Amino acid sequence: AQSVTQPDIHITVSEGASLELRCNYSYGATPYLFWYVQSPGQGLQLLLKYFSGDTLVQGIKGFEAEFKRSQSSFNLRKPSVHWSDAAEYFCAVGLMEYGNKLVFGAGTILRVKS
Amino acid sequence: NAGVMQNPRHLVRRRGQEARLRCSPMKGHSHVYWYRQLPEEGLKFMVYLQKENIIDESGMPKERFSAEFPKEGPSILRIQQVVRGDSAAYFCASSLDEGPQHFGDGTRLSIL
Repeated sequence: AQSVTQPDIHITVSEGASLELRCNYSYGATPYLFWYVQSPGQGLQLLLKYFSGDTLVQGIKGFEAEFKRSQSSFNLRKPSVHWSDAAEYFCAVGLMEYGNKLVFGAGTILRVKS
Repeated sequence: NAGVMQNPRHLVRRRGQEARLRCSPMKGHSHVYWYRQLPEEGLKFMVYLQKENIIDESGMPKERFSAEFPKEGPSILRIQQVVRGDSAAYFCASSLDEGPQHFGDGTRLSIL
């Protein structure tokens, strides 16, 4: 069955430090991969997506992610975190043969300390 | 260009009542998805609809839950005879064809 694992429930980083959020997926075919961010009480905002091609994808707000097929991973990175990045981050795989319904990981809550 | 609009933002119901959640997709989007987010969990797929058709309802509970996306008007997620366990945030997303999904701000359903 398809699944997405985000091993870190909480992460705390200092403002200005680099960030990497881990995501591993289990899926038989070539996946469509997404990272979303959710602020408290809000909906999900799409940060970036991978469909095909270059395995390093750039997103909004200075985020990037790298697709590594051999590791079944799609980790999210940012070189310098800002206090406004504090939120919950969700990795998701799109099941294209099922109309692109999304399977989400459990999320990683990012805290930024000044 | 308005995004995905969900209403109400918050809904309180007593056990046994009905809950109706509405979702207006982004302009031009004909694909609608509903997800449920329980406390401390990620989002779980419930149902995928196109205009007047349910395409995939594999994530819907077998009883009390139904969804529609009529030719005119918003998509509706209906929960009959609500129970405490239905308390959650319900998110709607829409997409153009099968592209990236854009999410609404959700409806927080609380059951007394």
